[in-house]
Amino acid sequence: GQNIDQPTEMTATEGAIVQINCTYQTSGFNGLFWYQQHAGEAPTFLSYNVLDGLEEKGRFSSFLSRSKGYSYLLLKELQMKDSASYLCAAVDSNYQLIWGAGTKLIIKP
Amino acid sequence: TAGITQAPTSQILAAGRSMTLRCTQDMRHNAMYWYRQDLGLGLRLIHYSNTAGTTGKGEVPDGYSVSRANTDDFPLTLASAVPSQTSVYFCASSEDGRAPYNEQFFGPGTRLTVL
Repeated sequence: GQNIDQPTEMTATEGAIVQINCTYQTSGFNGLFWYQQHAGEAPTFLSYNVLDGLEEKGRFSSFLSRSKGYSYLLLKELQMKDSASYLCAAVDSNYQLIWGAGTKLIIKP
Repeated sequence: TAGITQAPTSQILAAGRSMTLRCTQDMRHNAMYWYRQDLGLGLRLIHYSNTAGTTGKGEVPDGYSVSRANTDDFPLTLASAVPSQTSVYFCASSEDGRAPYNEQFFGPGTRLTVL
């Protein structure tokens, strides 16, 4: 079956660094997305990885290892506004997104 | 640019009644999607459309129907609502449903409660 696993909740301190992990099992693989979702709002795009390695975009970076079925989202210099849920989604062989349940990130001052 | 709009924002519906959730996008995207989001679960795809005139079933299509008469609109209909359809419904679109790297843009969601 298809499955995406990510931690339910994480807590970090303002100004620190946090890494949110995601493991996936899908029928075929055509890349992995990370989205951010603030409470009561719609998901918004953060990153897409299809090749192994790290992609950096400002304070956010995303890493992919296809051989391990593993990705992580790295958030640096955390700000209070980063408090949100972070959704991991893998693209399967039919180009459909298989979504994880999301990781709720709580930032403390 | 409005992006994607959904209506209504929220609704309370009696079980057994029918309802249509509306979704309109102004980005001229070919692909559109309907998801439901429930606490503790990931977004689950209900139906999708890769281009006007075509639709497909997602992971949880039972009890829902869609149509795609034109590029901009993608309504979702619940023929006879049941309490298990209580959820937040998101409509999304992407430039090309068959290009895996295309990000999906989401509407603000419709919060539906079926009593």
